[in-house]
Amino acid sequence: AQSVTQLGSHVSVSEGALVLLRCNYSSSVPPYLFWYVQYPNQGLQLLLKYTTGATLVKGINGFEAEFKKSETSFHLTKPSAHMSDAAEYFCALANDYKLSFGAGTTVTVRA
Amino acid sequence: EAGVTQFPSHSVIEKGQTVTLRCDPISGHDNLYWYRRVMGKEIKFLLHFVKESKQDESGMPNNRFLAERTGGTYSTLKVQPAELEDSGVYFCASSPGYTDTQYFGPGTRLTVL
Repeated sequence: AQSVTQLGSHVSVSEGALVLLRCNYSSSVPPYLFWYVQYPNQGLQLLLKYTTGATLVKGINGFEAEFKKSETSFHLTKPSAHMSDAAEYFCALANDYKLSFGAGTTVTVRA
Repeated sequence: EAGVTQFPSHSVIEKGQTVTLRCDPISGHDNLYWYRRVMGKEIKFLLHFVKESKQDESGMPNNRFLAERTGGTYSTLKVQPAELEDSGVYFCASSPGYTDTQYFGPGTRLTVL
């Protein structure tokens, strides 16, 4: 069975500090992995995705994630948090067309 | 290019009533998906259309839920009769091909009282 686990339902960071959101997956086949973000009152927006090839993936708004097969992880980072990064973030794994999501991590940014 | 749109954005109904949610995918996207998030839990897959055909409805909770996609364009999801546990946010997504990135709509928040 394929599954995704996000560690930490809430993360609070200071503006300018590192943002680190953790995601671990379980998959019997090479995974396609995604990070989506949901800003207040908006839909899910794709931040970045990993399919094959380079394991360090760069996305929009300064975010990046690294696929580590040995650790079955796909953690999301941003070097310097901005107030506009306050949102809920979802890690997801694709099984053909079907996405399996983690429970989500809400990020709060302190001034 | 317009994104995926969903209507209504919010719906509050009484238990036992009927509600119909609508999704308009991105133009030209043959693949349309419905997902649901209940009470802060994971977002769960409900079903997948390719054009007007249902390819996979393995995630539909029960036979109170009926999804259609008229002419391969917009899709509706009807809940009849609604129960309390149906409350949640219903997301629609679309993609050109089934392995392509899925683009999500803003969701419909359904509250059943």
